[in-house]
Amino acid sequence: KNQVEQSPQSLIILEGKNCTLQCNYTVSPFSNLRWYKQDTGRGPVSLTIMTFSENTKSNGRYTATLDADTKQSSLHITASQLSDSASYICVVSASNAGNMLTFGGGTRLMVKP
Amino acid sequence: EAQVTQNPRYLITVTGKKLTVTCSQNMNHEYMSWYRQDPGLGLRQIYYSMNVEVTDKGDVPEGYKVSRKEKRNFPLILESPSPNQTSLYFCASSLRPDRPSYEQYFGPGTRLTVT
Repeated sequence: KNQVEQSPQSLIILEGKNCTLQCNYTVSPFSNLRWYKQDTGRGPVSLTIMTFSENTKSNGRYTATLDADTKQSSLHITASQLSDSASYICVVSASNAGNMLTFGGGTRLMVKP
Repeated sequence: EAQVTQNPRYLITVTGKKLTVTCSQNMNHEYMSWYRQDPGLGLRQIYYSMNVEVTDKGDVPEGYKVSRKEKRNFPLILESPSPNQTSLYFCASSLRPDRPSYEQYFGPGTRLTVT
């Protein structure tokens, strides 16, 4: 069964600090991995999308990495801001017919002043 | 503006009273799906549709129905809602989620309370 596990479940950091969120997956055959940011009560918004051949991708202060061999991804947030407080969801897509998307449970990040 | 719209945004209803949550997208997307989100459980897929007249069950389809008569619309139907269907619901669409170049867009969410 395809699974996506994220850690930690929640995280509190001070404004200006960096943090790294983890995503481990067992999805086959792998197509791509996405990180989403979800503000409370709102729909998720895409941050990055990575394929098998990409091992890093940045979007402003967000940098995602992918190790397809170990089936691990991370999302690094640099110089955190209060507006980074949100849930971050890892979603892995399989390249076969049927139900292609597997969602992680998310990491809830709180940035404090 | 490219968007996914859902209606209503908030709904309080009683057990057993049939309801429909509408979802519409203006991007000519083939793939549409419904998710529910509950505290501590993350997003769980209810149903998805690869194209018109093609629908399939996700992880938690019990108690829900969907239809895809037109490409742009994908309504979620609760024939006899129960309190355990109280949740935050999201509709999403994309061209093909397995293609990395195709973004998946989420609607703003519908908060449903069943008493």
